[in-house]
Amino acid sequence: AQKVTQAQTEISVVEKEDVTLDCVYETRDTTYYLFWYKQPPSGELVFLIRRNSFDEQNEISGRYSWNFQKSTSSFNFTITASQVVDSAVYFCALSEAGGNQFYFGTGTSLTVIP
Amino acid sequence: GAGVSQSPSNKVTEKGKDVELRCDPISGHTALYWYRQSLGQGLEFLIYFQGNSAPDKSGLPSDRFSAERTGGSVSTLTIQRTQQEDSAVYLCASSLGTSGSREQFFGPGTRLTVL
Repeated sequence: AQKVTQAQTEISVVEKEDVTLDCVYETRDTTYYLFWYKQPPSGELVFLIRRNSFDEQNEISGRYSWNFQKSTSSFNFTITASQVVDSAVYFCALSEAGGNQFYFGTGTSLTVIP
Repeated sequence: GAGVSQSPSNKVTEKGKDVELRCDPISGHTALYWYRQSLGQGLEFLIYFQGNSAPDKSGLPSDRFSAERTGGSVSTLTIQRTQQEDSAVYLCASSLGTSGSREQFFGPGTRLTVL
C-alpha cells in the first residue's frame, strides 16, 4: 500500500490564484516526519519543510503554508498568490522514526499560467 | 559549502553494457541515499548507507544493481547488463544522520538512457 498519496497528478492555475496541494499519508508509527520538496524544471529537488508528528501547528512561510491534520492523516500545502516561478513538481514524503527510508508520493505537477 | 554532486549528468549506453554512476555527498553527512525517478513518476528508493553500518539494500530492483560507499563518503551505483527499463534519472541524496527527522539534500541527478 502507498504510504504517501498525492492524488492530484497535475494542476494548472492562473497567476495570483491560490492553490492547495494535497498529501495523505499512512503509518502505524507514533513518531514520524513529513516533508515537502519542490522539483523545478531544472530537476534538483529542494527541501521546503519538515514537520514532526507531535507538532500539529500549521506553519506559514511567506506565500507558503502547510496544514497538518493527524485526524485525517493529511499534510496539505497551500501556495497563496501563485507565481510563475512556483511551477514545479511538488513531492510529499514521510519518514518513520524506526526506519531508514523516506517514502515519497508520486508528486503533483503545478503549472502557473501568466 | 558545496552541495551533493553527481556525475555524469547524462549517460547514454547500449543495452547490455555496465554503467557506473557517482555521488559526492555533502561533507560531514553520514547518510547517503540512492533513488530512481522514472519519467513522470515519484522517487523509488534503491539503497541507503549510514556510516560504517551495513547498507539497506531493500530497494534494489534486481541483482544487476549494486552500490558501494568508500570511506564513508563517495558512493558509486553500478548497473550491470543494462536494460531499457533501467532508463531513468538516478538521484543521490545525503543527510546528517539516520534519524528520520533529518531532511535530505539532493544532487542534480544522472539521466541514464539505455538504447
